Amino acid sequence: GAVVSQHPSRVICKSGTSVKIECRSLDFQATTMFWYRQFPKQSLMLMATSNEGSKATYEQGVEKDKFLINHASLTLSTLTVTSAHPEDSSFYICSARGGDRGSSQYFGPGTRLTVT
Amino acid sequence: AQSVTQPDIHITVSEGASLELRCNYSYGATPYLFWYVQSPGQGLQLLLKYFSGDTLVQGIKGFEAEFKRSQSSFNLRKPSVHWSDAAEYFCAVGAGQAGTALIFGKGTTLSVSS
Repeated sequence: GAVVSQHPSRVICKSGTSVKIECRSLDFQATTMFWYRQFPKQSLMLMATSNEGSKATYEQGVEKDKFLINHASLTLSTLTVTSAHPEDSSFYICSARGGDRGSSQYFGPGTRLTVT
Repeated sequence: AQSVTQPDIHITVSEGASLELRCNYSYGATPYLFWYVQSPGQGLQLLLKYFSGDTLVQGIKGFEAEFKRSQSSFNLRKPSVHWSDAAEYFCAVGAGQAGTALIFGKGTTLSVSS
């Protein structure tokens, strides 16, 4: 149980284009989903928190107009990186937390974004 | 401000030997504490968590951790390491309401030698 998937696992896009990453909770309803960014050999940095049906809460320093987050249902959240630049290249990881799973977060496998 | 410190960047342990990964936290209230493991190119898997109660917590894969409030520590232990345990280990503290937002340490890379 408590499986979270992400799609795609890897994506390469050209500078200036937008890319969408999906995060799905497969066997539970995720009332809250989180998006993290991880640079090589570094820890995870929380980018934003989203609750189903409401606007995401972004961490300080994260551009909300660049990283669009939509949490349209209890099993799906999307992160869209708009007008991507090479410095946006990173490993993006989502996690999901459901009310019946206590306060644990379950993580997706991550998406490797490379902007050329 | 809340923070998590993992003092050891890289640890090498012989297969079959015991393991202890250190974690210290700074948090104003009773913390929610977690240990996650990450294999290369993968997401994070929850090993164990502490919310309240017994300060010695048992997790998956034979791991355990002990919460010591007086030392602000939550060290991860395993009595006998297997080669498959080689990975990156992250300690995290839950901040915010109901411990939802996680603050991660920088991680400790575990290598296992034969």
